[in-house]
Amino acid sequence: EVQLLESGGGLIKPGGSLRLSCVGSGYTFDNYGMSWVRQAPGKGLEWVAGISGSGDSTYYAASVKGRFVTSRDNSKNTLYLQMNNLRVEDTALYYCGKGRFYGSSGGEVRAWGQGTLVTVSS
Amino acid sequence: EIVLTQSPGTLSLSPGDRATLSCRASQSVDNNYLAWYQQEPGQAPRLLIYSASNRASDIPDRFTGSGSGTDFTLTINRLEPADFAVYYCQQFGTTPYSFGQGTKLEIK
Repeated sequence: EVQLLESGGGLIKPGGSLRLSCVGSGYTFDNYGMSWVRQAPGKGLEWVAGISGSGDSTYYAASVKGRFVTSRDNSKNTLYLQMNNLRVEDTALYYCGKGRFYGSSGGEVRAWGQGTLVTVSS
Repeated sequence: EIVLTQSPGTLSLSPGDRATLSCRASQSVDNNYLAWYQQEPGQAPRLLIYSASNRASDIPDRFTGSGSGTDFTLTINRLEPADFAVYYCQQFGTTPYSFGQGTKLEIK
């Protein structure tokens, strides 16, 4: 069974930094691209970032480009999202997701974690 | 960036009815790489349909995806109580990937 477990969320002041982690299990981690998707309280889904299976290719939404960096350590079955210069509007539940493809960001999200909450507030 | 517009915003129907949800893209979706997800309150989304018309594993055949290019539809036949949720479309043909704003399917 595919499982994804996010961690690293919390309360942070505007301008601060936070690193989220997502550990995958139950499948060959480095065979699949991954995505980060967020959901602000009471709002819809927003695709944030994606990474290929090898980690060589990364992609970002315009709203986070230049502030967020996604990476992966395939030896640890772990995906990361480094979030810098956080803004109040970055407050959301952050999900990691497993794709179907190796390349790009893996395509559609086939499996989801339960999310980790990031709150940006002074 | 491709913008996806879902309609209607809210759909009020009764169990046993048929639901028709629309997702329109601002430009053609490459390879019809369009997915549909269901999200129940307090839960992570669940993949229903990928590549416009392919059902994901364990999704009943009451759920049907159709369309191509810029216009896509999710049809849910014989609505059951568990189907009343929020539905999102997502394009994954071009990065950055993008979601529609969602359609809430509520009990009439």
